[in-house]
Amino acid sequence: DAGVIQSPRHEVTEMGQEVTLRCKPISGHNSLFWYRQTMMRGLELLIYFNNNVPIDDSGMPEDRFSAKMPNASFSTLKIQPSEPRDSAVYFCASESGGTSGLTGANVLTFGAGSRLTVL
Amino acid sequence: GQSLEQPSEVTAVEGAIVQINCTYQTSGFYGLSWYQQHDGGAPTFLSYNALDGLEETGRFSSFLSRSDSYGYLLLQELQMKDSASYFCASAGTGGFKTIFGAGTRLFVKA
Repeated sequence: DAGVIQSPRHEVTEMGQEVTLRCKPISGHNSLFWYRQTMMRGLELLIYFNNNVPIDDSGMPEDRFSAKMPNASFSTLKIQPSEPRDSAVYFCASESGGTSGLTGANVLTFGAGSRLTVL
Repeated sequence: GQSLEQPSEVTAVEGAIVQINCTYQTSGFYGLSWYQQHDGGAPTFLSYNALDGLEETGRFSSFLSRSDSYGYLLLQELQMKDSASYFCASAGTGGFKTIFGAGTRLFVKA
């Protein structure tokens, strides 16, 4: 398996531009997470999906952020308009189905991340 | 809500043993996970505890005490390549919402 695939790996854009980050989860995984990582705020959970349905988007910072998962093999995170404070590494992670009882392991597999710089 | 607390930095020498603690407050707690992240890389899964006690995976072990809302990661026979950030994470209500602690930066010295 190729693992979780994210694109682009690096993006540099100007303030006000639209940014779209893409993620292909591991086949068969039915939970997908978007995280943002910065030195100041660490790994923040933005949104997660289960079976393509958004379950909790309380971590999405503002209306400028939106995420979709149109099918089991693709998700996007969009920022419009982008601002310099959005500069961060954005990670997508997938998981086989969350925990299944107390003995189920909660194992997330992360993509390599998309490093976003907004000038 | 969910929150996890861990030390920001730990320094140890090669060959030594180091313990990284994590205390948590979560609703509907399912279990505690540990992840390693090298600079410029992505977090990778190390260990998971759903039940109280110790889980051993090679040089790494992880412990959980549900009654104390506390866990730790134990790294033995430290190697230079273990220098990285280590995150505890918990899955909360519904088993899906996985929240990470702020991370502990481990420096291994020769």
